[in-house]
Amino acid sequence: DAGVIQSPRHEVTEMGQEVTLRCKPISGHDYLFWYRQTMMRGLELLIYFNNNVPIDDSGMPEDRFSAKMPNASFSTLKIQPSEPRDSAVYFCASRIGQPSGNTIYFGEGSWLTVV
Amino acid sequence: GEDVEQSLFLSVREGDSSVINCTYTDSSSTYLYWYKQEPGAGLQLLTYIFSNMDMKQDQRLTVLLNKKDKHLSLRIADTQTGDSAIYFCAERGGGADGLTFGKGTHLIIQP
Repeated sequence: DAGVIQSPRHEVTEMGQEVTLRCKPISGHDYLFWYRQTMMRGLELLIYFNNNVPIDDSGMPEDRFSAKMPNASFSTLKIQPSEPRDSAVYFCASRIGQPSGNTIYFGEGSWLTVV
Repeated sequence: GEDVEQSLFLSVREGDSSVINCTYTDSSSTYLYWYKQEPGAGLQLLTYIFSNMDMKQDQRLTVLLNKKDKHLSLRIADTQTGDSAIYFCAERGGGADGLTFGKGTHLIIQP
């Protein structure tokens, strides 16, 4: 099993540029989560999908952030325009649906720096 | 909303046991998790416990849950240098799909 795959692993971009982060969940998993990790706020849930449908996006910080899941094997998190305060590690995670879906698996993260 | 609290740092000597503590506020928590994050890496699931259990053991790891006090602990026996990492406690409430994480405990191993 390849696990949750994220790309890019590292990105440095200039303020104002568009950033697209990508995620491939584990095959067969029904749920996909996007988390953001910063020193100040720790790990925050941004948005999650169930069967490709966004269920809760209340954690998305503002309109500059958007996420899509066009099919069961791919999701994107887009920031446009990016700002220095968006610098963080963005994690994608997935799990299978209930009743056995107790384990949430995380990717290695996308380390974003906005200068 | 839900809240998960952990100490920021724990320092132990190599070979001793480490005990990392966590408290949570959501009384409807159904699952509680421990994740490990090494520098520059993602989150690795160590173990989880269902809320109707009070203990779970897996090799060097022992998880204790006091549901009444909403207190969770992770004990690492015979702590090694490779255990140096940030340990995150997380909870999943009844009906919730995502996890709420603590800020993480940095485990520092002294030689």
